[in-house]
Amino acid sequence: GENVEQHPSTLSVQEGDSAVIKCTYSDSASNYFPWYKQELGKGPQLIIDIRSNVGEKKDQRIAVTLNKTAKHFSLHITETQPEDSAVYFCAAPNFNKFYFGSGTKLNVKP
Amino acid sequence: EAQVTQNPRYLITVTGKKLTVTCSQNMNHEYMSWYRQDPGLGLRQIYYSMNVEVTDKGDVPEGYKVSRKEKRNFPLILESPSPNQTSLYFCASSSRPQGSSYNSPLHFGNGTRLTVT
Repeated sequence: GENVEQHPSTLSVQEGDSAVIKCTYSDSASNYFPWYKQELGKGPQLIIDIRSNVGEKKDQRIAVTLNKTAKHFSLHITETQPEDSAVYFCAAPNFNKFYFGSGTKLNVKP
Repeated sequence: EAQVTQNPRYLITVTGKKLTVTCSQNMNHEYMSWYRQDPGLGLRQIYYSMNVEVTDKGDVPEGYKVSRKEKRNFPLILESPSPNQTSLYFCASSSRPQGSSYNSPLHFGNGTRLTVT
């Protein structure tokens, strides 16, 4: 199966700074890479995803980059705000199974 | 409102007492799955279902059962719960099987926190 590794496990930034979370995966057949945000007491929610035919995708302050050769993808959040504080998960579906990273707890300090 | 509904939100039980966590979605999704979330381990898939009467094991299926008799419902059954099944459980659904060339996102419920003593 797929092995997804995510770093860092915790990340603390000052409001307005950028945050970057990185994930690597093992199976070159994986072709879809979503990122989920989990707020306290809630289930994860999709914030952005990328498919293997593109290298970068942006949605306002959030962007995801993908390097298929190196088998890694990253989440970039610019101009961070306190409401960005949450746990973020990367994922790499493989056939009919879904594999998640171990999560990054992002703390944005006002 | 499109949603995945899990019940109960919190459950405390004792070792060996059978329990069921219900999951229902109103989006007519074919794909449904269960995950457990443990600190430092992320989300691990327990079981998934591609459609009615089609279920298969995820990465951590031991000690769990599922059924998919209707498209909207996908209950998780613990026939003899043990303390190592204390965890936060999530149900999720998606409009297409994840293995297809086009993949669509998972929609998650708000979780069930289970404690087995």
